[in-house]
Amino acid sequence: QVQLVQSGAEVTKPGASVKASCKPSGYTFTAYWIGWVRQAPGQSLEWMGWINPGNGDTMLSQKFQGRVTITRDTSASTVTLELNSLRSEDTAVYYCARVKRWLQLGQIGEALDHWGQGTLVTVSS
Amino acid sequence: DIQMTQSPSSLSASVGDRVTITCRASQSIRNCLNWYQQKPGKPPKLLIYAASSLQSGVPSRFTGSGSGTDFALTISSLQSEDFASYYCHHSCRSPFPFGGGTTVEIK
Repeated sequence: QVQLVQSGAEVTKPGASVKASCKPSGYTFTAYWIGWVRQAPGQSLEWMGWINPGNGDTMLSQKFQGRVTITRDTSASTVTLELNSLRSEDTAVYYCARVKRWLQLGQIGEALDHWGQGTLVTVSS
Repeated sequence: DIQMTQSPSSLSASVGDRVTITCRASQSIRNCLNWYQQKPGKPPKLLIYAASSLQSGVPSRFTGSGSGTDFALTISSLQSEDFASYYCHHSCRSPFPFGGGTTVEIK
């Protein structure tokens, strides 16, 4: 079955960087994009970006441009999110998710059909 | 950027009730709308994609409808396992925004 297993919780300081990893299994790693979504405590969800594991192409939210990097390691079948210049507002659970592409009524879109368990990142001095 | 507005932000209902949650886009998004369910401490779960297509394994009591700017998620007969938060999600154009969420609570 499809699973996405994420790395463990991180506690870090303002100004530092953090990495969260995501290891999908149960399907061909390069066949589906992987997205990252975060959720601050008590808040809604926020899309950060996604990567095509096949060729490494990424699409990133402009809100995080310059601070976020998404990479993949095809030999390890792993996707990594790195967020730099952390501030307290970056405290959140970071989820990876598999991207399902759909075509309906002539429109192509994406949905997140399988999710990791989440990585809690706490930014505190 | 497109904004997604959900209403209500919370509602109380009983088992067996019919429940409808709405989501409005700030401009037309055709059928580019997904719905997710999230329970406390868990990741979201995809229920509906492309506005009205039921994700595999999701019970048929969940129905999505709408196009353009106005969308709805209806639960035909609320079950105990449906008490959760629900999020709409625009899925065709960056920054792929989510709605603010609707929490369905037990009356």
